[in-house]
Amino acid sequence: KQEVTQIPAALSVPEGENLVLNCSFTDSAIYNLQWFRQDPGKGLTSLLLIQSSQREQTSGRLNASLDKSSGRSTLYIAASQPGDSATYLCALYNQGGKLIFGQGTELSVKP
Amino acid sequence: DTAVSQTPKYLVTQMGNDKSIKCEQNLGHDTMYWYKQDSKKFLKIMFSYNNKELIINETVPNRFSPKSPDKAHLNLHINSLELGDSAVYFCASSSNRARLSEAFFGQGTRLTVV
Repeated sequence: KQEVTQIPAALSVPEGENLVLNCSFTDSAIYNLQWFRQDPGKGLTSLLLIQSSQREQTSGRLNASLDKSSGRSTLYIAASQPGDSATYLCALYNQGGKLIFGQGTELSVKP
Repeated sequence: DTAVSQTPKYLVTQMGNDKSIKCEQNLGHDTMYWYKQDSKKFLKIMFSYNNKELIINETVPNRFSPKSPDKAHLNLHINSLELGDSAVYFCASSSNRARLSEAFFGQGTRLTVV
C-alpha cells in the first residue's frame, strides 16, 4: 500500500531564506508527482507536476525534484516571502489510478 | 473562468438530513474525483469517475452516492448525514491521460453537520 509522508509537519523561517520541503513515498511505481499549495480555508493550487520519467521541474522560485529509486521528492523554495506562507502538499498518482496525498507541511515565512 | 467549481461553498445542516454537492469543470477533462479533507487536513480520495463511469470507489459508507450526468459534472449526494461527515469536500479533475496530467481542484465545500 502506497504511503506518502511529508516532513516537517510545520516550518517557520525568516523572510529571504531558502528552504526545502520533503516528501517520501513507499512504492516507486508511480506515474507522476504533483506539488500543491493550500491557503487557509481555500482550495488547492497546483504548483509543479513531475512525470515519473523526469528528475525535476522549475517554476519561478520553485524547484521540485523526484528520485523514484529512493522514494523521495523535494520542493525547494528560493528567497522565501511572507506570501509563500501556506500548507504545501505533495501527491502522487499511483498505478492504482489514485492521487494519494501526504499530510502536508505548514510553512510560515516571517517578515 | 473558474476551471473546477463547486456549489455550495458552505453547507450547514442537521443530522439526518440529505444534501447534495455539485461540481462542474470546464477544462474538457474526462476524469473527475471527490476527496474528503478531515479536521487534520488530510486529503483522502472517495470516488473517481472517467467518462461518467465509476472507476474508484473507496471504502465509503453507502450513504454517499456520486452521480455523473456527463463528463463535465460530478455530484455527491449524502443521505442521513452524521456528525462525522463534517469535513471539507473537494472536487477535482484531470485529463483522459490522467496518469500524466495535472489534477485541478475546486475551492471545496465545507460541510458542517450539527
